[in-house]
Amino acid sequence: EVQVLQSGGGLVQPGGSLRLSCAASGFTFSGYSLSWVRQTPGKGPEWVSTISISGDNTYYADSVRGRFTISRDNSKNTLSLQMNSLRAEDTALYYCAKDVRRGGGGMDVWGQGTTVTVTS
Amino acid sequence: ESVLTQSPATLSLSPGERATLSCRASQSVSSYLAWYQQKPGQPPRLLIYDASNRATGIPARFSGSGSGTDFTLTITSLEPEDFAVYYCQQRSNWPITFGQGTRLEIK
Repeated sequence: EVQVLQSGGGLVQPGGSLRLSCAASGFTFSGYSLSWVRQTPGKGPEWVSTISISGDNTYYADSVRGRFTISRDNSKNTLSLQMNSLRAEDTALYYCAKDVRRGGGGMDVWGQGTTVTVTS
Repeated sequence: ESVLTQSPATLSLSPGERATLSCRASQSVSSYLAWYQQKPGQPPRLLIYDASNRATGIPARFSGSGSGTDFTLTITSLEPEDFAVYYCQQRSNWPITFGQGTRLEIK
């Protein structure tokens, strides 16, 4: 069974840091690019970051570039998002997701989501 | 950045009717367009990728068409479980962008 289990998240003050993780199973983890997508209540999804199959290429939304770092460990089937210098506007439900095919196409497997709340 | 504009914002239909949802891109995204369904408390569910390919397990009543800047998601005969919010998303260029959504509600 294909599964993605998320961990991390929580409550943090502005300027603080958090690390989100995804543990995947049931598919060839090293065969797909992976992404983080966030969503606030009542709004559409917002793409945050994507990492290539090998991890050599990373992509970020302008709103998080320089503050967030995406990484993966293909030997452990894990994806991570290190979030530094957090702002109130980073408050959201964060999902990890895998591409449906090599090169993109869409995201067919999603984690259950983890909440990040940035508040003083 | 490719801005995706979905229309209508809300679509009110009855079960059994046909639904047609639109997604227009501000620049060509070729066929790199996906459609998602989202219900409250759940992550988005991939329906269609590469404009017209149904994802695994998606019923045949869902179909996608279009290329370039204009795309359509069609649901041929609405089932009660189809009433949800639908989003389009492009993967043609960075940043990846999503549309603002179309809410499909029961009339």
